[in-house]
Amino acid sequence: DTGVSQDPRHKITKRGQNVTFRCDPISEHNRLYWYRQTLGQGPEFLTYFQNEAQLEKSRLLSDRFSAERPKGSFSTLEIQRTEQGDSAMYLCASSRTGISYNEQFFGPGTRLTVL
Amino acid sequence: AQRVTQPEKLLSVFKGAPVELKCNYSYSGSPELFWYVQYSRQRLQLLLRHISRESIKGFTADLNKGETSFHLKKPFAQEEDSAMYYCALSGGSYIPTFGRGTSLIVHP
Repeated sequence: DTGVSQDPRHKITKRGQNVTFRCDPISEHNRLYWYRQTLGQGPEFLTYFQNEAQLEKSRLLSDRFSAERPKGSFSTLEIQRTEQGDSAMYLCASSRTGISYNEQFFGPGTRLTVL
Repeated sequence: AQRVTQPEKLLSVFKGAPVELKCNYSYSGSPELFWYVQYSRQRLQLLLRHISRESIKGFTADLNKGETSFHLKKPFAQEEDSAMYYCALSGGSYIPTFGRGTSLIVHP
C-alpha cells in the first residue's frame, strides 16, 4: 500500500497520560498535514510541514500538542496530559509541491478516546 | 479569514433524482476549492477541484465568484453516491478550511 499510513488506528488512554501518533506520508510528498476531526465536523487544521520545517503551528489547540517531522519523512503528533476533550479522530494528509493545486491524500486516521 | 459553509447536514434523495450539495465560502483572495468524499469505512479522498473543471463520477461543481458558491451537482443520483461530502477551500497559504460536511443518502 503506497498511500498515507497512520499508527495506531485506535488509542484508548486515561486522562492525564501522554499519547503519540505516527504518520507516514506518500514517499514523494514533501508536505504533511495534521488535522483533528470531531463528530459532525469537518477536518480542522492543526499544523503542517514542508519537508522537516514546521511552517504553521499556531493552530495547534494548546501547548499540550506538538508535532515533529525530524527527517522530512514520517511525522509524529504528541498530546501531553490528555483531557477528555481531546477525544477525536486525528487525520494526517500529505501533498506535493510543484504542482498547480494542493490535492491532499489522507490517511485512515487515529481515533483517540480519553477516559 | 477563510470560511466554508455547508448548510445541509443531511441530504436524502431517491435513486435517479438530481442532487445538489451546497457550499458557500468566504475568502478575500482567489480561492482554490475542492470537494472531498468519504465513503463508509474508507478514507477521505478528493472528488474534484474547481480549477480542473472536470466531471468525476458524474459530479460537477462550478465556482460562482459572485455568489461565493461552489455547489456540487449530479443529474441522476446512484446508490453508490451515498457518502459524506466535504467542501474545502485553500487560500494562498495552503492551509485548507473544510466545511462540516453533508451526508448524502441515496435510497433505492
